[in-house]
Amino acid sequence: GQNIDQPTEMTATEGAIVQINCTYQTSGFNGLFWYQQHAGEAPTFLSYNVLDGLEEKGRFSSFLSRSKGYSYLLLKELQMKDSASYLCAVRADNTDKLIFGTGTRLQVFP
Amino acid sequence: DAGVTQSPTHLIKTRGQQVTLRCSPKSGHDTVSWYQQALGQGPQFIFQYYEEEERQRGNFPDRFSGHQFPNYSSELNVNALLLGDSALYLCASSFASGGEWVKNIQYFGAGTRLSVL
Repeated sequence: GQNIDQPTEMTATEGAIVQINCTYQTSGFNGLFWYQQHAGEAPTFLSYNVLDGLEEKGRFSSFLSRSKGYSYLLLKELQMKDSASYLCAVRADNTDKLIFGTGTRLQVFP
Repeated sequence: DAGVTQSPTHLIKTRGQQVTLRCSPKSGHDTVSWYQQALGQGPQFIFQYYEEEERQRGNFPDRFSGHQFPNYSSELNVNALLLGDSALYLCASSFASGGEWVKNIQYFGAGTRLSVL
């Protein structure tokens, strides 16, 4: 079967660093995506990993270990506007279908 | 450059009715995927259209059907609505270069919030 696991909720303080973990078990692997979704809005693309290692993009970084079926999203210098749900998604085959986790709701406090 | 647009934004229907949701992909994109997102859950894949054909389908009953037009826009139809069909329906578009999806990013619309009473 296909399974994506991530924590349901996390809290952090403005200016801090937070790491959101994602583990996956899928029949194949053809890339892992992170999306941000504010309440009532569309998911917006944050990052993509297909090879092992760290991808950095401004305050956001994403890491992948294919052998461990593990990824994390690292958010630095947290701002209040980072309060949102963060969705981990895997493309398991050579189509464009994404398998999503349930999402991690992050609340940033002053 | 317009992103992915969906209409309507909100819809209220009663059980047993039928509904049609519409999606226009981002300029230059040729593939449309539909997802259902229940409250507090991640999006669940319904199906994907490429070259006006359904390419892949998730675990949804055949009450859910779709169509893609020559201009790449798409419709999602749901027949015999159930209370459990209440959700946010998301459309995502992407570009398939020769049918391959290497490092292909899906861009999402804001969704249609469907309430079934």
